[in-house]
Amino acid sequence: DAGVIQSPRHEVTEMGQEVTLRCKPISGHNSLFWYRQTMMRGLELLIYFNNNVPIDDSGMPEDRFSAKMPNASFSTLKIQPSEPRDSAVYFCASSRSSGRYSYEQYFGPGTRLTVT
Amino acid sequence: ILNVEQSPQSLHVQEGDSTNFTCSFPSSNFYALHWYRWETAKSPEALFVMTLNGDEKKKGRISATLNTKEGYSYLYIKGSQPEDSATYLCASMEYGNKLVFGAGTILRVKS
Repeated sequence: DAGVIQSPRHEVTEMGQEVTLRCKPISGHNSLFWYRQTMMRGLELLIYFNNNVPIDDSGMPEDRFSAKMPNASFSTLKIQPSEPRDSAVYFCASSRSSGRYSYEQYFGPGTRLTVT
Repeated sequence: ILNVEQSPQSLHVQEGDSTNFTCSFPSSNFYALHWYRWETAKSPEALFVMTLNGDEKKKGRISATLNTKEGYSYLYIKGSQPEDSATYLCASMEYGNKLVFGAGTILRVKS
């Protein structure tokens, strides 16, 4: 398996532009997570999906952020409009999911976003 | 909201030294404790997932223990090597698959 795939790996955009980050989870995993890594806050969960359904989006900073998972093999995180404070590394991770067990999460390579 | 604390913040050791770090977490509503290793310019990789009080897990020279009653976990590295240099993250999970990460312990092993 290729692991979790994220694109683009790097994104530089101007303030006010729309940014879309993409993620393909590992086949067979039914949980998908979007994280943001910053120096100030470390690794923080933005939103996660189980079986393509958003379960907890309490970490999404504000209405400028939205995430979708239209099918089991694809998810997007969109920022519109982008602001300089959104500059960070965004990770997507996937895992198996079971009500009884906790499975390790597999992280993608991340997207480094710079908003100027 | 969980508050996961890790100590020390950073650690510098000599090759061959053994070392350990601490992760503390709220013991109420505990479900699972994860350890991840994060090398510079790479992505976090899972080391261990532990759920039961008294759990001990081992992978090569790295091992971990779990005390859910008092809310802490230890990660041990025996005979540290330069390739062990990384940030070690722990994360606590309440029921529902949501992980809350600590800030991590940065380990640097000098040869």
